[in-house]
Amino acid sequence: EAAVTQSPRNKVAVTGGKVTLSCNQTNNHNNMYWYRQDTGHGLRLIHYSYGAGSTEKGDIPDGYKASRPSQENFSLILELATPSQTSVYFCASGDAAGVEQYFGPGTRLTVL
Amino acid sequence: SQLAEENSWALSVHEGESVTVNCSYKTSITALQWYRQKSGKGPAQLILIRSNEREKRNGRLRATLDTSSQSSSLSITATRCEDTAVYFCATDAGYGSSGNKLIFGIGTLLSVKP
Repeated sequence: EAAVTQSPRNKVAVTGGKVTLSCNQTNNHNNMYWYRQDTGHGLRLIHYSYGAGSTEKGDIPDGYKASRPSQENFSLILELATPSQTSVYFCASGDAAGVEQYFGPGTRLTVL
Repeated sequence: SQLAEENSWALSVHEGESVTVNCSYKTSITALQWYRQKSGKGPAQLILIRSNEREKRNGRLRATLDTSSQSSSLSITATRCEDTAVYFCATDAGYGSSGNKLIFGIGTLLSVKP
């Protein structure tokens, strides 16, 4: 069974602080993705990766960095968090064909 | 730019009834997927239908694809309360060209009442 886990599941941060969201997958998938989900916008792609050491900008990368240190792990970094980054963040993994994506349970981030 | 969107924000039915969620998209695709997201969970794929297919079934679910009108539908028969969820369509533009990215619609909230 595909398994994507995220930590933390809930996070409250202060404006200007640094936030790191972590994602781990045991599917041995090459591709990993970070999305945010907001009411009225659906899922929007922030960053993605084709494999260890690679990161690519998605559709809304401003204010976010990503890191893929290994096949299994993909992190999303907010260097200077802002209230507009309050959202639910989902990580997903997919194989090289990229057809189906397997999602984690999400992280609810609140920036005060 | 490519856009996938469902045509209704919310639908409500009673258990046992059938329901259809519609989706439209704006560019050529190689495949369209339907995902379901239950409250507090991540999305999970229900059906993938390729551009050379017109219909795909998965149990009580039936997806159709009309590439001429760039639209798709997901029908659920004999609905159950546990079908309550947000349903998304997602499209891609083919392997490699868009980095294997998916474009998701905003989603349709389906409520199934007892």
